Amino acid sequence: AQTVTQSQPEMSVQEAETVTLSCTYDTSENNYYLFWYKQPPSRQMILVIRQEAYKQQNATENRFSVNFQKAAKSFSLKISDSQLGDTAMYFCAFTQGAQKLVFGQGTRLTINP
Amino acid sequence: EPEVTQTPSHQVTQMGQEVILRCVPISNHLYFYWYRQILGQKVEFLVSFYNNEISEKSEIFDDQFSVERPDGSNFTLKIRSTKLEDSAMYFCASSERTGNQETQYFGPGTRLLVL
Repeated sequence: AQTVTQSQPEMSVQEAETVTLSCTYDTSENNYYLFWYKQPPSRQMILVIRQEAYKQQNATENRFSVNFQKAAKSFSLKISDSQLGDTAMYFCAFTQGAQKLVFGQGTRLTINP
Repeated sequence: EPEVTQTPSHQVTQMGQEVILRCVPISNHLYFYWYRQILGQKVEFLVSFYNNEISEKSEIFDDQFSVERPDGSNFTLKIRSTKLEDSAMYFCASSERTGNQETQYFGPGTRLLVL
């Protein structure tokens, strides 16, 4: 069974700093997809970024980028120039396709003014 | 921009009562999912639905749970006899038919409290 592990329960940085959230996963499959979702205090799940395992190039979305290391089964999220609105829970998730998402335990990120 | 909607946003019920949570997926999506999140815990998969039938379900999704697509737009989750431990946030999600099936878009959730 696939598992996703986020080893940092909480992180805190100052506004405008860069922060990296870690995620590792376990799968025997070769084709799969990885995601980061943001959950602000409203508890809505907001898609931040996605990565296809067959692509070597790391995905980027504005201030958000990933470091995808397929051999190491690692998928970290980097947030540059962090903003107060980035304060949220961040979940790493895995899927093989049009199938269930498997989530990590989440990292609570606080951006301090 | 199209989005997944869910009603109600909050529901309080008594233990043993039936509840129906409603979702309207994005209109051109054909894969539908329900997840739940107990307060302070991670998001857990309940069930996936495609082509008018369940494609996968978790061990959480026992006989007390059922899903239905009663018309062309709604997707419902029914809990027949609620338990205290059913208190959680319930999320509906959907994904496209082709081209981007892997990306699931979530609704805002229904916060269920069982007393």
